Amino acid sequence: DAKTTQPNSMESNEEEPVHLPCNHSTISGTDYIHWYRQLPSQGPEYVIHGLTSNVNNRMASLAIAEDRKSSTLILHRATLRDAAVYYCILRDGLSNFGNEKLTFGTGTRLTIIP
Amino acid sequence: SQTIHQWPATLVQPVGSPLSLECTVEGTSNPNLYWYRQAAGRGLQLLFYSVGIGQISSEVPQNLSASRPQDRQFILSSKKLLLSDSGFYLCAWSVKGGMNTEAFFGQGTRLTVV
Repeated sequence: DAKTTQPNSMESNEEEPVHLPCNHSTISGTDYIHWYRQLPSQGPEYVIHGLTSNVNNRMASLAIAEDRKSSTLILHRATLRDAAVYYCILRDGLSNFGNEKLTFGTGTRLTIIP
Repeated sequence: SQTIHQWPATLVQPVGSPLSLECTVEGTSNPNLYWYRQAAGRGLQLLFYSVGIGQISSEVPQNLSASRPQDRQFILSSKKLLLSDSGFYLCAWSVKGGMNTEAFFGQGTRLTVV
């Protein structure tokens, strides 16, 4: 998997928007950008993914830079339940044995301040 | 709907004892299967992944092994546990292909080696 870089930690006030950045300067044309989050003492859960266009779902929005070398996960209105470690990973859309590997970096630990 | 079962939830084992953690998936066929370990306060370390019966990739050299005796069953084993094997073990599955490889995680097993 191509490498991603995220800040180790971020803080945000409750009920305010949160922008979580991710750099992936070596992304290939077939890589999809995926975001997961891990709540304390739980396994990661899928948040959102995209290829080129911005994406929205009930959990968050994903803004992808035009050159695809960076992306931003946007939580529109943070709640205390959004406190988690957020992981940005790349997955190759071409399926072969090597591409099925799913690796996570260290992610960004998001703290929500009441 | 698809579900993933992982057990036990917690386990305390003495050093040098064997280990067997089992993970099963329901509601899908030919999934990719993954084993991860997370040490306290650390990121997710991919241990093994499998794209099919008998096709297992080991990502980290250690005293652990994995087997996939059935399509939807993934087993993590050790003949002799070390103190450093303590951690939070997570099993996950996904469909093949990077386009929609949302991965689903089990609830995890917290292993303490004493």
